[in-house]
Amino acid sequence: AQTVTQSQPEMSVQEAETVTLSCTYDTSESDYYLFWYKQPPSRQMILVIRQEAYKQQNATENRFSVNFQKAAKSFSLKISDSQLGDAAMYFCAYRRVDFGNEKLTFGTGTRLTIIP
Amino acid sequence: NAGVMQNPRHLVRRRGQEARLRCSPMKGHSHVYWYRQLPEEGLKFMVYLQKENIIDESGMPKERFSAEFPKEGPSILRIQQVVRGDSAAYFCASSPSTGGNLHEQYFGPGTRLTVT
Repeated sequence: AQTVTQSQPEMSVQEAETVTLSCTYDTSESDYYLFWYKQPPSRQMILVIRQEAYKQQNATENRFSVNFQKAAKSFSLKISDSQLGDAAMYFCAYRRVDFGNEKLTFGTGTRLTIIP
Repeated sequence: NAGVMQNPRHLVRRRGQEARLRCSPMKGHSHVYWYRQLPEEGLKFMVYLQKENIIDESGMPKERFSAEFPKEGPSILRIQQVVRGDSAAYFCASSPSTGGNLHEQYFGPGTRLTVT
Protein backbone atom coordinates (compact mmCIF):
# COMPACT_ATOMS: atom_id res chain seq x y z
CA ALA A 1 0.00 0.00 0.00
CA GLN A 2 1.10 3.52 -0.69
CA THR A 3 2.03 5.75 2.23
CA VAL A 4 2.77 9.46 2.47
CA THR A 5 4.90 10.89 5.28
CA GLN A 6 5.17 14.50 6.37
CA SER A 7 7.75 14.65 9.13
CA GLN A 8 7.24 18.31 10.08
CA PRO A 9 4.05 18.75 12.12
CA GLU A 10 4.66 22.51 12.36
CA MET A 11 6.76 25.08 10.55
CA SER A 12 7.04 28.84 10.82
CA VAL A 13 8.53 31.47 8.55
CA GLN A 14 8.96 35.22 8.56
CA GLU A 15 6.77 37.10 6.14
CA ALA A 16 8.51 37.55 2.76
CA GLU A 17 10.96 34.74 3.46
CA THR A 18 11.13 31.29 1.85
CA VAL A 19 10.07 28.04 3.47
CA THR A 20 10.27 24.41 2.36
CA LEU A 21 7.84 21.71 3.48
CA SER A 22 8.97 18.10 3.26
CA CYS A 23 7.11 15.05 1.98
CA THR A 24 8.23 11.51 1.29
CA TYR A 25 6.16 8.65 -0.05
CA ASP A 26 6.40 4.96 -0.61
CA THR A 27 5.16 3.20 -3.74
CA SER A 28 6.11 0.39 -6.07
CA GLU A 29 4.47 2.13 -9.02
CA SER A 30 6.54 3.86 -11.68
CA ASP A 31 3.85 6.31 -12.75
CA TYR A 32 1.68 8.31 -10.39
CA TYR A 33 0.64 11.83 -9.44
CA LEU A 34 1.65 13.95 -6.46
CA PHE A 35 -0.16 16.95 -5.04
CA TRP A 36 0.10 19.63 -2.40
CA TYR A 37 -3.17 20.82 -0.89
CA LYS A 38 -3.68 23.80 1.39
CA GLN A 39 -6.31 23.80 4.14
CA PRO A 40 -6.85 27.24 5.70
CA PRO A 41 -8.93 27.74 8.88
CA SER A 42 -12.07 27.62 6.72
CA ARG A 43 -11.19 23.91 6.19
CA GLN A 44 -11.71 24.17 2.43
CA MET A 45 -9.20 21.95 0.61
CA ILE A 46 -7.41 23.96 -2.08
CA LEU A 47 -5.09 22.43 -4.66
CA VAL A 48 -1.76 24.29 -4.63
CA ILE A 49 0.33 22.35 -7.12
CA ARG A 50 0.55 18.96 -8.83
CA GLN A 51 3.30 16.87 -10.40
CA GLU A 52 3.15 13.95 -12.83
CA ALA A 53 5.83 11.39 -11.96
CA TYR A 54 6.82 10.85 -15.59
CA LYS A 55 7.77 14.52 -15.92
CA GLN A 56 11.32 15.34 -14.88
CA GLN A 57 10.66 19.08 -14.76
CA ASN A 58 9.58 20.38 -11.39
CA ALA A 59 6.14 22.00 -11.32
CA THR A 60 5.83 25.70 -10.54
CA GLU A 61 2.77 27.85 -9.77
CA ASN A 62 3.68 31.48 -9.11
CA ARG A 63 5.34 31.56 -5.64
CA PHE A 64 4.95 27.80 -5.18
CA SER A 65 7.37 25.24 -6.59
CA VAL A 66 8.26 21.65 -5.90
CA ASN A 67 11.48 19.68 -5.71
CA PHE A 68 10.54 16.25 -7.04
CA GLN A 69 13.20 13.59 -6.49
CA LYS A 70 11.74 10.39 -7.92
CA ALA A 71 14.57 8.05 -6.94
CA ALA A 72 14.48 9.31 -3.37
CA LYS A 73 10.64 9.38 -3.36
CA SER A 74 10.72 12.91 -2.11
CA PHE A 75 8.33 15.75 -3.02
CA SER A 76 8.98 18.99 -1.14
CA LEU A 77 7.06 22.25 -1.51
CA LYS A 78 8.87 25.59 -1.58
CA ILE A 79 6.93 28.75 -0.85
CA SER A 80 8.76 31.94 -1.82
CA ASP A 81 7.99 35.43 -0.56
CA SER A 82 5.68 34.05 2.15
CA GLN A 83 2.49 35.98 2.77
CA LEU A 84 0.14 36.07 5.74
CA GLY A 85 -2.50 34.35 3.61
CA ASP A 86 -0.23 31.33 3.22
CA ALA A 87 -0.85 30.38 6.85
CA ALA A 88 -2.63 27.01 6.74
CA MET A 89 -2.28 23.27 7.02
CA TYR A 90 -0.48 21.81 4.02
CA PHE A 91 -1.09 18.24 2.94
CA CYS A 92 0.96 16.18 0.53
CA ALA A 93 -1.04 13.60 -1.44
CA TYR A 94 -0.40 10.70 -3.82
CA ARG A 95 -2.59 9.16 -6.47
CA ARG A 96 -2.12 6.17 -8.72
CA VAL A 97 -2.62 6.48 -12.45
CA ASP A 98 -4.67 3.42 -13.27
CA PHE A 99 -8.41 3.32 -13.70
CA GLY A 100 -10.40 2.62 -10.55
CA ASN A 101 -7.61 3.81 -8.27
CA GLU A 102 -8.17 7.53 -8.27
CA LYS A 103 -8.30 7.83 -4.49
CA LEU A 104 -5.91 10.29 -2.89
CA THR A 105 -3.61 9.15 -0.08
CA PHE A 106 -2.75 12.06 2.21
CA GLY A 107 0.05 12.73 4.66
CA THR A 108 -0.69 13.94 8.17
CA GLY A 109 -0.03 17.56 7.29
CA THR A 110 2.25 20.44 8.24
CA ARG A 111 0.88 23.50 9.99
CA LEU A 112 2.53 26.60 8.55
CA THR A 113 2.61 29.81 10.58
CA ILE A 114 3.63 33.11 9.01
CA ILE A 115 5.33 35.55 11.38
CA PRO A 116 4.60 39.20 10.51
CA ASN B 1 -20.32 27.46 -12.13
CA ALA B 2 -21.13 26.29 -8.65
CA GLY B 3 -18.54 24.20 -6.84
CA VAL B 4 -19.07 21.02 -4.90
CA MET B 5 -21.90 21.51 -2.43
CA GLN B 6 -22.16 19.74 0.87
CA ASN B 7 -24.92 19.96 3.43
CA PRO B 8 -25.33 20.36 6.19
CA ARG B 9 -22.11 22.17 7.07
CA HIS B 10 -22.51 21.23 10.71
CA LEU B 11 -24.43 18.28 12.09
CA VAL B 12 -24.92 17.32 15.71
CA ARG B 13 -26.23 13.87 16.57
CA ARG B 14 -26.66 11.96 19.81
CA ARG B 15 -25.12 8.54 20.17
CA GLY B 16 -27.28 5.94 18.45
CA GLN B 17 -28.88 8.32 15.96
CA GLU B 18 -28.39 8.29 12.21
CA ALA B 19 -26.39 10.86 10.27
CA ARG B 20 -26.99 11.64 6.60
CA LEU B 21 -24.46 13.73 4.76
CA ARG B 22 -25.18 15.04 1.27
CA CYS B 23 -22.88 15.95 -1.57
CA SER B 24 -23.79 17.53 -4.89
CA PRO B 25 -20.87 17.32 -7.33
CA MET B 26 -19.90 20.05 -9.69
CA LYS B 27 -22.00 20.33 -12.82
CA GLY B 28 -20.88 17.77 -15.36
CA HIS B 29 -19.03 15.65 -12.81
CA SER B 30 -20.17 12.06 -12.43
CA HIS B 31 -17.55 10.76 -9.99
CA VAL B 32 -17.68 11.34 -6.26
CA TYR B 33 -15.22 10.58 -3.47
CA TRP B 34 -15.78 10.73 0.28
CA TYR B 35 -12.96 11.39 2.75
CA ARG B 36 -12.93 11.61 6.53
CA GLN B 37 -10.69 13.90 8.56
CA LEU B 38 -10.33 13.16 12.25
CA PRO B 39 -9.14 16.02 14.47
CA GLU B 40 -5.49 16.94 13.85
CA GLU B 41 -5.13 14.31 11.11
CA GLY B 42 -5.02 14.17 7.34
CA LEU B 43 -7.88 13.11 5.12
CA LYS B 44 -8.54 9.40 4.81
CA PHE B 45 -10.26 7.94 1.76
CA MET B 46 -13.57 6.22 2.39
CA VAL B 47 -15.37 5.47 -0.86
CA TYR B 48 -15.42 6.27 -4.58
CA LEU B 49 -18.70 6.22 -6.48
CA GLN B 50 -19.98 6.80 -9.96
CA LYS B 51 -23.64 7.19 -10.80
CA GLU B 52 -25.43 4.14 -9.36
CA ASN B 53 -22.16 2.28 -8.79
CA ILE B 54 -19.67 1.88 -5.96
CA ILE B 55 -16.22 1.63 -7.53
CA ASP B 56 -13.98 1.42 -4.47
CA GLU B 57 -15.15 1.16 -0.87
CA SER B 58 -11.89 -0.05 0.59
CA GLY B 59 -11.81 2.78 3.14
CA MET B 60 -15.33 2.33 4.47
CA PRO B 61 -15.80 0.81 7.92
CA LYS B 62 -17.48 -2.57 7.57
CA GLU B 63 -20.45 -1.72 9.73
CA ARG B 64 -22.83 1.22 10.10
CA PHE B 65 -21.46 3.16 7.10
CA SER B 66 -22.96 3.18 3.62
CA ALA B 67 -22.83 5.43 0.58
CA GLU B 68 -24.85 5.88 -2.55
CA PHE B 69 -24.87 8.06 -5.63
CA PRO B 70 -28.23 7.65 -7.35
CA LYS B 71 -29.01 8.45 -10.95
CA GLU B 72 -30.79 11.58 -9.82
CA GLY B 73 -29.89 13.67 -6.80
CA PRO B 74 -26.90 14.05 -4.52
CA SER B 75 -24.54 11.45 -3.17
CA ILE B 76 -25.39 10.39 0.38
CA LEU B 77 -23.05 9.15 3.09
CA ARG B 78 -25.08 7.47 5.79
CA ILE B 79 -23.84 6.59 9.25
CA GLN B 80 -26.16 4.50 11.37
CA GLN B 81 -26.08 4.35 15.17
CA VAL B 82 -23.37 6.99 15.46
CA VAL B 83 -20.72 6.78 18.17
CA ARG B 84 -18.42 9.49 19.56
CA GLY B 85 -15.56 8.18 17.41
CA ASP B 86 -17.51 9.16 14.29
CA SER B 87 -17.04 12.83 15.16
CA ALA B 88 -14.99 14.22 12.30
CA ALA B 89 -15.08 16.40 9.21
CA TYR B 90 -16.39 14.56 6.17
CA PHE B 91 -15.30 15.86 2.79
CA CYS B 92 -16.73 15.13 -0.60
CA ALA B 93 -14.81 15.63 -3.84
CA SER B 94 -15.86 15.25 -7.46
CA SER B 95 -14.08 14.84 -10.77
CA PRO B 96 -15.23 14.91 -14.38
CA SER B 97 -13.72 11.67 -15.60
CA THR B 98 -11.29 8.88 -14.86
CA GLY B 99 -9.30 6.44 -16.93
CA GLY B 100 -5.88 7.33 -15.59
CA ASN B 101 -5.93 10.93 -16.74
CA LEU B 102 -4.90 13.69 -14.43
CA HIS B 103 -8.19 15.21 -13.39
CA GLU B 104 -8.29 17.27 -10.28
CA GLN B 105 -10.62 16.29 -7.50
CA TYR B 106 -12.60 19.35 -6.50
CA PHE B 107 -13.40 19.41 -2.82
CA GLY B 108 -16.51 20.62 -1.06
CA PRO B 109 -16.38 22.66 2.17
CA GLY B 110 -16.97 19.57 4.33
CA THR B 111 -19.54 18.56 6.91
CA ARG B 112 -18.45 18.66 10.53
CA LEU B 113 -20.20 15.89 12.43
CA THR B 114 -20.31 16.09 16.20
CA VAL B 115 -21.64 13.15 18.20
CA THR B 116 -22.69 13.95 21.75
